[in-house]
Amino acid sequence: TQLLEQSPQFLSIQEGENLTVYCNSSSVFSSLQWYRQEPGEGPVLLVTVVTGGEVKKLKRLTFQFGDARKDSSLHITAAQPGDTGLYLCAGNTGGFKTIFGAGTRLFVKA
Amino acid sequence: NAGVTQTPKFQVLKTGQSMTLQCAQDMNHNSMYWYRQDPGMGLRLIYYSASEGTTDKGEVPNGYNVSRLNKREFSLRLESAAPSQTSVYFCASREAGARQPQHFGDGTRLSIL
Repeated sequence: TQLLEQSPQFLSIQEGENLTVYCNSSSVFSSLQWYRQEPGEGPVLLVTVVTGGEVKKLKRLTFQFGDARKDSSLHITAAQPGDTGLYLCAGNTGGFKTIFGAGTRLFVKA
Repeated sequence: NAGVTQTPKFQVLKTGQSMTLQCAQDMNHNSMYWYRQDPGMGLRLIYYSASEGTTDKGEVPNGYNVSRLNKREFSLRLESAAPSQTSVYFCASREAGARQPQHFGDGTRLSIL
């Protein structure tokens, strides 16, 4: 069974702090995606990484795909209350087989 | 743009009742998905449709059926609802060439008593 483990499960920080969340697996993925989900809504795709070692930036968010394409990290600089939400990673092994992690729930206090 | 629209948003059923969850997308995407999301677990794929006229089982298909009515619409049916099917159900779509579901609906929150 392929698994994607996300850590930490919960994170509560003050506005302005930096944070990193992790997504790990023993499986190799052809691509990996990060989504953000807010209460009562569906996930929203933030980024897709494809190449081992790839780094992508989206404003204050930095996404990195591990060299071996088994893990990824999301770093947020100077977190804001608007960053609050559930962050999901998902790995694609080809075709329609996309596996989701259980998510990291982030709360940023003003 | 509406994107992916799901109906209903909430539903309570009794064990054994049947129900169809509706999903429509207006982005002309070929591929559509049905997922369920349970606390502490990631989204799990129930069924997907690579294109109009085709459907395939995902990770957790038991107790569900689907219909890809046309390119826009992909419905999920519970023939005899069970408490274990209490969940939040999400429909999603992706455009040709994408590697993952790109657009999700806002979900249907289903409780089976």
